[in-house]
Amino acid sequence: AQKITQTQPGMFVQEKEAVTLDCTYDTSDPSYGLFWYKQPSSGEMIFLIYQGSYDQQNATEGRYSLNFQKARKSANLVISASQLGDSAMYFCAMRGPYNQGGKLIFGQGTELSVKP
Amino acid sequence: NAGVTQTPKFRILKIGQSMTLQCTQDMNHNYMYWYRQDPGMGLKLIYYSVGAGITDKGEVPNGYNVSRSTTEDFPLRLELAAPSQTSVYFCASSPDGLNQPQHFGDGTRLSIL
Repeated sequence: AQKITQTQPGMFVQEKEAVTLDCTYDTSDPSYGLFWYKQPSSGEMIFLIYQGSYDQQNATEGRYSLNFQKARKSANLVISASQLGDSAMYFCAMRGPYNQGGKLIFGQGTELSVKP
Repeated sequence: NAGVTQTPKFRILKIGQSMTLQCTQDMNHNYMYWYRQDPGMGLKLIYYSVGAGITDKGEVPNGYNVSRSTTEDFPLRLELAAPSQTSVYFCASSPDGLNQPQHFGDGTRLSIL
């Protein structure tokens, strides 16, 4: 069965510093996609970045990058130059089986707090 | 750019009451989903739909029903509300069931008292 594990319940980072949020995954499918979502205190789910299992390069979107290590089954999110507005819950997720509608399988989340 | 719209944003129900959570998307996405998020947890799938007229159960379907008569709308029905259904409900859509991201509505915060 597919599974996402986020082992950091909470993280603190100083404003303007970089931070890495950990995510490991388990799947037997050779083709899969990994996603990161941000959930601020207002509650909405915001898509940040996507990494495909066959992508040759690590994904980047502005200040977000994904450190994808396929052999280790890890897909860590790196946020560079942290801002106060980055304080939020961050969820790593994987698309489930196509015959189950491609649901998103979520980890438990990591709560990031950015200190001024 | 409305995206995925959910109504209502907040609701309090009494035990045994019923209600419908509305979800509509304007992106012409075939795939739509209903998730629930309990405090401190990730999201769990309630129901999903791969197109108009086609729905299927997710991980936690008990106590809920859905319908999909149009591409745009995917309402979630709660019958005989129970305290265990107190949660935040998210509707999401995506173009396909593969590697496109799902786009979420802002959620409905539901309390059953």
